[in-house]
Amino acid sequence: DVKVTQSSRYLVKRTGEKVFLECVQDMDHENMFWYRQDPGLGLRLIYFSYDVKMKEKGDIPEGYSVSREKKERFSLILESASTNQTSMYLCASSSRDGQRPQHFGDGTRLSIL
Amino acid sequence: KQEVTQIPAALSVPEGENLVLNCSFTDSAIYNLQWFRQDPGKGLTSLLLIQSSQREQTSGRLNASLDKSSGRSTLYIAASQPGDSATYLCAVGGSNYQLIWGAGTKLIIKP
Repeated sequence: DVKVTQSSRYLVKRTGEKVFLECVQDMDHENMFWYRQDPGLGLRLIYFSYDVKMKEKGDIPEGYSVSREKKERFSLILESASTNQTSMYLCASSSRDGQRPQHFGDGTRLSIL
Repeated sequence: KQEVTQIPAALSVPEGENLVLNCSFTDSAIYNLQWFRQDPGKGLTSLLLIQSSQREQTSGRLNASLDKSSGRSTLYIAASQPGDSATYLCAVGGSNYQLIWGAGTKLIIKP
């Protein structure tokens, strides 16, 4: 069964900390995505990647960076966490041709205190 | 700029009823349209994907239709069950493979 795994389901960090969220997929997908989901705002794309070492900004990249050193792993980095980054973070992957749906991880509920 | 709207935001129906969820989009130049389900506190599960050249897709009790000319898609759920309770999201795919998301419809099926 295909799987996208996010390293933590719940995470609590303090303001100013550097935070790493990890995502691994086992489907050999080229495309990987990081979203955040907030009540009333829906899903918003932070960053995405079409290939190893490649990244593109989404709709809300400010305060975030990403790393994709290997095809199966896509990391989201909060350089200096702030309280307005408290949210649910969702990772997804898909095949390059976009003919098949995106597959999602279970999400990381991140709280910044 | 593509915008995706889902109405209603919430829906509560008795078990056993057939129901329709709606999704509308402003730009008909889409690559595909996807329907997802999200259970509370969880990630999203893909239900159906309709390519731009298709009119509908079916999976079990679910049927999704697509009318690009009118900018609409519907998700039909037959013989609803309490286990169908979840938030249903539609998303429109463009040529760059990114998805534009609706805000979702929260569905409650009453036993």
